[in-house]
Amino acid sequence: QTVVTQEPALSVSPGGTVTLTCGLTSGSVSTSHYPSWYQQTPGQAPRTLIYSTNTRSSGVPDRFSGSILGNRAALTITGAQADDESDYYCMLYMGSGMNWVFGGGTKLTVL
Amino acid sequence: QVQLQESGPGLVKPSETLSLTCTVSGGSISGYYWSWIRQPPGKGLEYMGYIYYTGTTNYSPSLKSRLTFLVDTSKNQVSLKLNSVTAADTAVYFCGRGSYGDLRWGQGTLVTVSS
Repeated sequence: QTVVTQEPALSVSPGGTVTLTCGLTSGSVSTSHYPSWYQQTPGQAPRTLIYSTNTRSSGVPDRFSGSILGNRAALTITGAQADDESDYYCMLYMGSGMNWVFGGGTKLTVL
Repeated sequence: QVQLQESGPGLVKPSETLSLTCTVSGGSISGYYWSWIRQPPGKGLEYMGYIYYTGTTNYSPSLKSRLTFLVDTSKNQVSLKLNSVTAADTAVYFCGRGSYGDLRWGQGTLVTVSS
């Protein structure tokens, strides 16, 4: 069974740039997986950041961007801020049989 | 501004049926996909499936045998029923509106499965 993979944890300095990635244990991520990205702080509902690879959801600042890098989907945060410290989840469309599948999440620390 | 509110019993006994409702305000059920996602305490998100406003459904393979989604356009609600629950079904359950991953999320509701 194919699993969606993410880095368990990353860190970034305030004002810095960080890239989170989303891959598959078998195969490559493409735009056909409609990669999406969500931000979640403890005790809160997730917030949609990016959908369909690189489209920002309403109200999301442009320092969040999505792309395909090699065989993985990527979320890049430029000019990291303290309140970017959150858990980030990607989600991929795996076809009508498998439906949508989340990655395990990346805990981002800003320090 | 559309808002989604999940509601239902916070405690369900093992082997019984978990029933939740997502009530939509400030917008219509019609024209949208409605997803259910859950998150066990301290763990990651799990996509459970979706229902289109017409009633078409698509369930996660791992939950398909136990899961039912319904839509009630007259009440502007979508609902979830998960039967034969175990402690592993303890989670915060979220509903979400949207397609292609562009989800507007409800705040979630915690359901604990325990005798």
